[in-house]
Amino acid sequence: DGGITQSPKYLFRKEGQNVTLSCEQNLNHDAMYWYRQDPGQGLRLIYYSQIVNDFQKGDIAEGYSVSREKKESFPLTVTSAQKNPTAFYLCASSIAAGGPISSYEQYFGPGTRLTVT
Amino acid sequence: GENVEQHPSTLSVQEGDSAVIKCTYSDSASNYFPWYKQELGKRPQLIIDIRSNVGEKKDQRIAVTLNKTAKHFSLHITETQPEDSAVYFCAANGDDKIIFGKGTRLHILP
Repeated sequence: DGGITQSPKYLFRKEGQNVTLSCEQNLNHDAMYWYRQDPGQGLRLIYYSQIVNDFQKGDIAEGYSVSREKKESFPLTVTSAQKNPTAFYLCASSIAAGGPISSYEQYFGPGTRLTVT
Repeated sequence: GENVEQHPSTLSVQEGDSAVIKCTYSDSASNYFPWYKQELGKRPQLIIDIRSNVGEKKDQRIAVTLNKTAKHFSLHITETQPEDSAVYFCAANGDDKIIFGKGTRLHILP
């Protein structure tokens, strides 16, 4: 279970405020991902990064932003432009994106439950 | 891009019986198909995966089958136990990422 951490576990914010979710890994993985989990919606990809200083939009990137200044860190900012930000957010990492098939295995963090009122 | 459909969304089976979850995918170039289990309040974890050069893979009570022609793959759990209660996600690789199905909530009835 160790190796990828997210903080905090629960986060509460007022509508209109930006909030940043932390994700750190010490697995030396190149690729990192952010997913949003809503009941009945599965795991929807927000953003992903294959390498430092580079990232790509996933399926539901609107209202979110990310940075990848360090290999170990991939913070997600939920902006006030995100219409329905209340959700469970999961960060994951993998050895690499693409390349050998075995590098796709995702290691998930424990998640952050964000509530915006 | 890749699209993964998963059925059923909810499944209830009697303890000791078998459970089957089915997924279809759209991209014929996909060649890696993992299954993740997420227990209540916990993170998803990989339980088994299958690659396109194999039709079936088994690990104790869990097995996966892959039909590349039909583009579908299935998870089979035999002799189900209470600890099998969880949400199960299938997935397939697409470009440089993994695409997940919407999940199946499995209930094991006593």
